[in-house]
Amino acid sequence: KQEVTQIPAALSVPEGENLVLNCSFTDSAIYNLQWFRQDPGKGLTSLLLIQSSQREQTSGRLNASLDKSSGRSTLYIAASQPGDSATYLCAVITQGGSEKLVFGKGTKLTVNP
Amino acid sequence: NAGVMQNPRHLVRRRGQEARLRCSPMKGHSHVYWYRQLPEEGLKFMVYLQKENIIDESGMPKERFSAEFPKEGPSILRIQQVVRGDSAAYFCASSPWQGQYNSPLHFGNGTRLTVT
Repeated sequence: KQEVTQIPAALSVPEGENLVLNCSFTDSAIYNLQWFRQDPGKGLTSLLLIQSSQREQTSGRLNASLDKSSGRSTLYIAASQPGDSATYLCAVITQGGSEKLVFGKGTKLTVNP
Repeated sequence: NAGVMQNPRHLVRRRGQEARLRCSPMKGHSHVYWYRQLPEEGLKFMVYLQKENIIDESGMPKERFSAEFPKEGPSILRIQQVVRGDSAAYFCASSPWQGQYNSPLHFGNGTRLTVT
C-alpha cells in the first residue's frame, strides 16, 4: 500500500530565504508525482507534475525533483515571499492504482515579512 | 473556461439527515474524482467516475455513501444519515480522458460539511 510522508509538517522562515520541502513515498512504481498548494478554505492548485521518467520540473521560483528509485521528491522554493504561505501537498499516482492520487499530509509554510 | 465548480461551499446537516454534494467538472473533462479531507488529515481518495460509470470506489465507505456522474448534469456525492464523523471538506477534481498520467488534476474549492 502506497504511503506518502512529508517533512517537515510545518515550517516558518523569513522572507527571502530559499527553502526545501521533502516528500517520500514507499512504492517506487509510480506514474507521476504532483505538488499542490492549498490555501486556507480553498481548493488545491497544481504547482508541478513530474512524470516517472523525469528528474525535475521547474516553474518560476519553484523547482521539483524526483528520485524514483529512492522514493523521494523535493520542492525547492527560491527567494520566498509572504504570498508563498500555504500548505504544500505532495501526491503520487501508483501503477496499478487506478489513477487515484495518494497524498501526504502536507507541509504548512509560513513566510514572515 | 470555468474551473471545477462545487456547491454548496458550506453545508450544515443534523445527524441523520442527508447531504448532497455537487461537482461540475471543467469543460471537456469526462473523469471526476472525489476526495475527503478530515481535520488534521491528508486528502483521501473516495471514488473515481466517468460519465455513467463508477470506475473505482475503493475509498468510499460501504454504507451510507454513494456517488454518480450522469450523462447530463453534475456529479453527485450523496451521504445518507450523516454522523459527526462525516464532518470534513469534500473535494472534487476532474481530468480529461486518460489525462491523469500526463496532466495535473484540477480541483474545486471543496464543500465543507459540518454535522451537528
